[in-house]
Amino acid sequence: DADVTQTPRNRITKTGKRIMLECSQTKGHDRMYWYRQDPGLGLQLIYYSFDVKDINKGEISDGYSVSRQAQAKFSLSLESAIPNQTALYFCATSGTNTGELFFGEGSRLTVL
Amino acid sequence: KNQVEQSPQSLIILEGKNCTLQCNYTVSPFSNLRWYKQDTGRGPVSLTIMTFSENTKSNGRYTATLDADTKQSSLHITASQLSDSASYICVVSARGSNYQLIWGAGTKLIIKP
Repeated sequence: DADVTQTPRNRITKTGKRIMLECSQTKGHDRMYWYRQDPGLGLQLIYYSFDVKDINKGEISDGYSVSRQAQAKFSLSLESAIPNQTALYFCATSGTNTGELFFGEGSRLTVL
Repeated sequence: KNQVEQSPQSLIILEGKNCTLQCNYTVSPFSNLRWYKQDTGRGPVSLTIMTFSENTKSNGRYTATLDADTKQSSLHITASQLSDSASYICVVSARGSNYQLIWGAGTKLIIKP
C-alpha cells in the first residue's frame, strides 16, 4: 500500500459544484501539504499544515479550503469549482526534521 | 523575486548515453536544493537534497552538483535507461520563518532505445 494515498484519483465535475479531495498517510509525519500542478508550470502550494491545530495558506489558496481531521488525514475542498481549477492535485507529507517531501499519486480534477 | 529556472525544457537522448540538466536559482536566503523525478501522471520522488556546504551528491546513476556562489546546480545522469524517461524538477528551499519551496518547471527527458 502507498504511504500517501489520495482519493479520488480522477474526478470530472461541473462548474459550481463542491468537491473534496482526500489525503491520508501512514508515514507518521506531522507536516502535510496540498499542491497544484498545471502543464508547463512548477508545483504551486495551496495550503500546508504542520500539525493538527496548524493550518497555513500557501501561494494560491483563494477558492480552496482545507481540513486537518487527524495527524494522518488532510482534505482539500473546492467550495464552488470553476474551470480554471482544472489541474493535477498532489498531497505531500514531510517529517519535521528532514524536510524531504513524500507525494501521493495525485488527483486529476476536471471542471467543465 | 525568488525564481528557479531549468534548462533545457526538454531533451531526447539515446539509451546508454549520459546527460546533464541545469538549474539556476535566485532564491535568497538559501536553505537547500532538491532534485525530484516525476514520472508522467505520478507524484514527484526525491533524488537528492543538498545544503549550502555540499557541492556534490550521488544517488545511484544520478549525481547532483551545487555551486552556491553562482547559484547553479546540475543533475548528471550516467548510462541512461528507458526508465529514466521522466520530468526532473529542481526545487530550492528558502530559509525563513515561513515554509517556502520554489519549484522549477522541470526538464522533460525522453530516453529512446
